This record gives sequence, structure tokens and C-alpha cells, in this order.
Amino acid sequence: GQNIDQPTEMTATEGAIVQINCTYQTSGFNGLFWYQQHAGEAPTFLSYNVLDGLEEKGRFSSFLSRSKGYSYLLLKELQMKDSASYLCAVNDDYKLSFGAGTTVTVRA
Amino acid sequence: IAGITQAPTSQILAAGRRMTLRCTQDMRHNAMYWYRQDLGLGLRLIHYSNTAGTTGKGEVPDGYSVSRANTDDFPLTLASAVPSQTSVYFCASSLRLADSYNEQFFGPGTRLTVL
Repeated sequence: GQNIDQPTEMTATEGAIVQINCTYQTSGFNGLFWYQQHAGEAPTFLSYNVLDGLEEKGRFSSFLSRSKGYSYLLLKELQMKDSASYLCAVNDDYKLSFGAGTTVTVRA
Repeated sequence: IAGITQAPTSQILAAGRRMTLRCTQDMRHNAMYWYRQDLGLGLRLIHYSNTAGTTGKGEVPDGYSVSRANTDDFPLTLASAVPSQTSVYFCASSLRLADSYNEQFFGPGTRLTVL
């Protein structure tokens, strides 16, 4: 089975940093994805980790620890347009299992 | 067409009616997926297809069926809709199923309400 946990909501101020944690217990592991989903829209790909460590992509970074079953997504220099849901997804047996998502609200 | 399209955008359906949600991709991806998204539950996989002619069951397949007659199209059918099938349905595709890096591309979604 799959168990993927992430916080339901987070609020931060424009220009600040927010870290979204994701813990997982899955029967298989072939990598971890983060997706961004604006309200009423489709999810879009943000990042992928398959080895331990940090992957940096502009203002967004994602970290993975396979031994701990843990990942985080770091959003730096927050902008109003970053207000969205962030979905953690584990590639389990080559199919994605998603967490329920974390809604981030950026305030001025 | 660029990417994945879904139709209809939204639909209100009476319980017991049959409904087919359409999904078409033009990226020549081998793998396609159907998810439903419900508040607090996230995206749950209904059915998937590894390649044309093959399909498989996901986490929540009951009440749904799919077919994959060709590479581009992957329709989802509700044979007899029930109110618990009220949800937002997303179709997605990826280059291949059996890849670690199987980034999935999502369609715009279909909002279905069953009364």
C-alpha cells in the first residue's frame, strides 16, 4: 500500500521562504515528483528526485532522503503567483501515488 | 492540438446514466492514465494503459472502464453513474510507463457532477 503525508495548508509572506515536507511509506520506490496545481487547473511538473540530495531549479529546490522516506520542496523568494497546491507523488511500481497536496497561500 | 485535451470541460449527469469522458494526446506518449481528484484525498489512479491495446486497474477502478484502441485516445466510461462519482477527472500521459522518470503531463480536467 501507499501512505504519503504532507501538511494540508501553509501560509507565508511574499519574499519569504517556505518548506513543504512529504513523508512516504510505499511498497516500491522509483523516484519522487513534486507538482504544482493552481486552483481549477491541471497539475504541472516541478521537480524529480531519485537519488538522495538536493535538486535546485531556480527559486524551487527539492530534497530527498530515501532511507528516511522523506522529501521537501523549498520555495524561495515567494511571489503571489506561487499561491497554489503542491503535490508530492511517489513513483511506486512505475505508477504515481499522490499525497493529498499542500495549499500554500502567499500574502502581501 | 498541443498536449492533452479532455472533453467535456464539465458535465451534470443524472444517476444511472452512462457517460464517456474523452481524452486525446498528440505527444505520441505510450502510457496514459485516468485520475479522479477529490477534496482532501488528492489524485487517485482509476485506470492506466501501458500502450495501445493494453489497460490496467489503478487504486479505484470500480464503476469505471477504459479502452485504448490507438496511441492517442483513452476514453473513460461510467456505465451507470452514481453520486459518489462526482469529482474532477484528469487524464495524463507519459512517454513510457516503466521508467523511473515517467513525468506525467495532465489534461485540463473534466468536472463531473452526478445527481
